[in-house]
This record gives sequence, structure tokens and C-alpha cells, in this order.
Amino acid sequence: DVKVTQSSRYLVKRTGEKVFLECVQDMDHENMFWYRQDPGLGLRLIYFSYDVKMKEKGDIPEGYSVSREKKERFSLILESASTNQTSMYLCASSLLRGYNSPLHFGNGTRLTVT
Amino acid sequence: GDSVTQMEGPVTLSEEAFLTINCTYTATGYPSLFWYVQYPGEGLQLLLKATKADDKGSNKGFEATYRKETTSFHLEKGSVQVSDSAVYFCALSNRDDKIIFGKGTRLHILP
Repeated sequence: DVKVTQSSRYLVKRTGEKVFLECVQDMDHENMFWYRQDPGLGLRLIYFSYDVKMKEKGDIPEGYSVSREKKERFSLILESASTNQTSMYLCASSLLRGYNSPLHFGNGTRLTVT
Repeated sequence: GDSVTQMEGPVTLSEEAFLTINCTYTATGYPSLFWYVQYPGEGLQLLLKATKADDKGSNKGFEATYRKETTSFHLEKGSVQVSDSAVYFCALSNRDDKIIFGKGTRLHILP
């Protein structure tokens, strides 16, 4: 079974801090994704990556960046956290590019920015 | 652009009731369609999928049929259980592997 692990379940940070959210998958998936989930808005795609050192902007990339130095790890970076980035962050992976493979999700990181 | 619209919740039913959660989509080409479920405190997990018109996806008693003529993928279950209480997301994926989600429908099942 695919396991997607997010390093923190809950995180509290102050405004202006640099925040790192880590995600690791153990099944050699090519594609990795970061979403944020907010009540009434569903899931919105922040960034995604088809391969190591590759990244693509999703629908709401502003205020975020990502890093994919190794195939199994995809990090989301909040350069200067703001209160409107308080949210649930979900990492996901899928097998192959171009095959509409289903996503496998981690359990999420609930980030609060004060 | 591509989009997914699903019925707003919450939906509250009694145990053993029949469930329908409506989902319609807008997309170019021939997307794959999915239903994901999120149980409390967890991430999303795939419930079922369909990759072409008239396909029926099924799992755990849930079913959905890919209807291209009505651009719909409604989720149904004949007899719901308390353990089905969760948030359900309809989603589509086109050639670029980006999966677009609906806003989710919260389902409460009363014993």
C-alpha cells in the first residue's frame, strides 16, 4: 500500500516566519502535489511536480514555493507566513504522468498562523 | 477551464436510507472521473473511479456511472451505514494529471 507521510499533524507559527511542510512517499511515484483545504472552498492546488527538480504552479501559488530534490520528497515552503495561510495542507502523489492515476494522500498538516 | 460542481451539504440521512450525491462537470476532451472520501481526521482516499463514458465505478457498496451526455457522475448507495459518515469529493482528471475537485459534500448518517 502506498504511504504518504506528512511530517507534522499540527503546526503553529507566527506571522512572518518561514515555514517548511515536508511530505514523503514510499512507492516511487512520479507525481507529487500540494493542496490546501478550506471550509466551503474544497481543495485547491498550490504546486505540483512531475519529476525531481521540476515544479509547476497550481491555481493558488502566491506566497508559496516548493522543493523536490529527491523523488520521494516534496516540500512546501511558506516564505513569510501570513494569517490567511492558516489552513489544512494536504500532500498527495500519483504514479505516472499522463495516465490520470488516482491520488494517494497524506493525513494532512493543520497550520495555524498567529 | 475544467470544473466540478457537486451538491452542497450537509446531507443527513437515517441508517439504511438510499443515498445520492449529485456531481456534474465541465471539461474538454475525455476526463477520468473520481469520487474520494475523507473520514474525520484523515486525508482523502479514492473511493471509486471511471475512465470512459458509460463506465460504472463501484466500491464498498457505492456506485457511480460516467454519463457523458449529461456530464454527470452521481454517487449512489442503496443502504447507508453510520460508518459512511464522511466528506465526499467528486473530481476529474484530464491529460495533465491535475485533479480538480468539487467543494465536497458532508454526509451525516444517524443510527
